[in-house]
Amino acid sequence: AQKITQTQPGMFVQEKEAVTLDCTYDTSDPSYGLFWYKQPSSGEMIFLIYQGSYDQQNATEGRYSLNFQKARKSANLVISASQLGDSAMYFCAMRGEGGTSYGKLTFGQGTILTVHP
Amino acid sequence: NAGVMQNPRHLVRRRGQEARLRCSPMKGHSHVYWYRQLPEEGLKFMVYLQKENIIDESGMPKERFSAEFPKEGPSILRIQQVVRGDSAAYFCASSPWTHALGGEQFFGPGTRLTVL
Repeated sequence: AQKITQTQPGMFVQEKEAVTLDCTYDTSDPSYGLFWYKQPSSGEMIFLIYQGSYDQQNATEGRYSLNFQKARKSANLVISASQLGDSAMYFCAMRGEGGTSYGKLTFGQGTILTVHP
Repeated sequence: NAGVMQNPRHLVRRRGQEARLRCSPMKGHSHVYWYRQLPEEGLKFMVYLQKENIIDESGMPKERFSAEFPKEGPSILRIQQVVRGDSAAYFCASSPWTHALGGEQFFGPGTRLTVL
C-alpha cells in the first residue's frame, strides 16, 4: 500500500518569499513517481511537477522545484518568489509501478498556502 | 486540443435518486480514472478504466456505484440511490498510457454533487 503524508494543514508566506511544502511518502514499490498538484479556489486540479524515483536530479519547472530525498522518503515542493496567485491548496501524490498501485494516484491531505501581499 | 471534459459541473439530487457523471477524456487518451474528493480532504482513487474494460475498481464502494467506459462515448460514473454522504467533488482524469510512471494524468474540472 502507498501512503502520502502532508503534515502542514496551512502555510503562510509573504509575497516574493520562498516557501517549502512538506510531503513524505511510504511505498513498497521499487520504482514510483511523485507529483504535485495545485487546486485553486475554483476547484480544478493543475499539474505542477513530477519526480521519478530513479531520477538523479531534482525536478524543476519554472518557480517550482522538488526537493527529493529518497532515503528520507520526502518530496518537498519549493515555490520561489511567491505570488498572490499561488494561494491555493497543494496536493502531493504518488504512483507506483505495479500490483495494486499500478495506474492510480494516491494523494495526501493537502496544504493550504496563503500568500500575503 | 480540448482538455478533459466533465458534465455536469454541478449536480443536485435528492436522496434516493440516481446520479450520472460523464467524462470525455482528452483526444487520443484511452485510460480514464475517477477520483472523489470529500469536503476538506484529498482526492481518493475510485476506479481505473480502459476502453470497455475495468482495470482497477479497488476504490469503488461495493454497492450503488458503477463505472463504464464504452467503445464509443464518454466514461460514466453512476451512483444509484444517492445518500447525503455521496456529496462530494468527483474528478475524472485521463492519460494516453500508464506504463511510464511519469505519464501525467490530466484532470477535468470536476462535478460537484450535492445530495439534499
